[in-house]
Amino acid sequence: GAGVSQSPSNKVTEKGKDVELRCDPISGHTALYWYRQSLGQGLEFLIYFQGNSAPDKSGLPSDRFSAERTGGSVSTLTIQRTQQEDSAVYLCASSLVPRLKEHGYTFGSGTRLTVV
Amino acid sequence: TQLLEQSPQFLSIQEGENLTVYCNSSSVFSSLQWYRQEPGEGPVLLVTVVTGGEVKKLKRLTFQFGDARKDSSLHITAAQPGDTGLYLCAGLGGKLIFGQGTELSVKP
Repeated sequence: GAGVSQSPSNKVTEKGKDVELRCDPISGHTALYWYRQSLGQGLEFLIYFQGNSAPDKSGLPSDRFSAERTGGSVSTLTIQRTQQEDSAVYLCASSLVPRLKEHGYTFGSGTRLTVV
Repeated sequence: TQLLEQSPQFLSIQEGENLTVYCNSSSVFSSLQWYRQEPGEGPVLLVTVVTGGEVKKLKRLTFQFGDARKDSSLHITAAQPGDTGLYLCAGLGGKLIFGQGTELSVKP
């Protein structure tokens, strides 16, 4: 696609429920990243995919968080048993690794997650 | 752990004023990027600086990379309301590591 697409754009869930966030990267981008952004704050790294593999998942805050990527394309971030502190904007980005310095990451508009 | 600290965190100025945003780290980065983020959107790349001491200009925005490649600055000349947004620096160290951002508000 022309850009990185994330869905849903907004999600309100009850504490304790599971949620799935979806990311469709730019076609042909082999690298995919998930970040979390709390209100007015910088971006906190969660996980990085190269193809379908996740060589760096060091930012996942707990074992309630998991992510997968299939077909070298779509990725899903799953949060189990959501807590109020999980409320944030979850941003997905993709990139062409060899062109990272020239083009940087292309971000989606994010999913705003609110846990009530 | 590589960390990037930005200052100031918040900046509210009048149209026409100049401003500088700083991005500092104790670590060396191979390159550093600046992004701008508007409400409800993801960050968008403004510039990449690679060489120590490098200066890049983008219209009224001037970006500088420190000689030791540990710090950077963004200077905006004659700020306009359209410059309002969250400015993020990010260091490339395997993955992009972001600073906490500078929230800029330019009032007409």
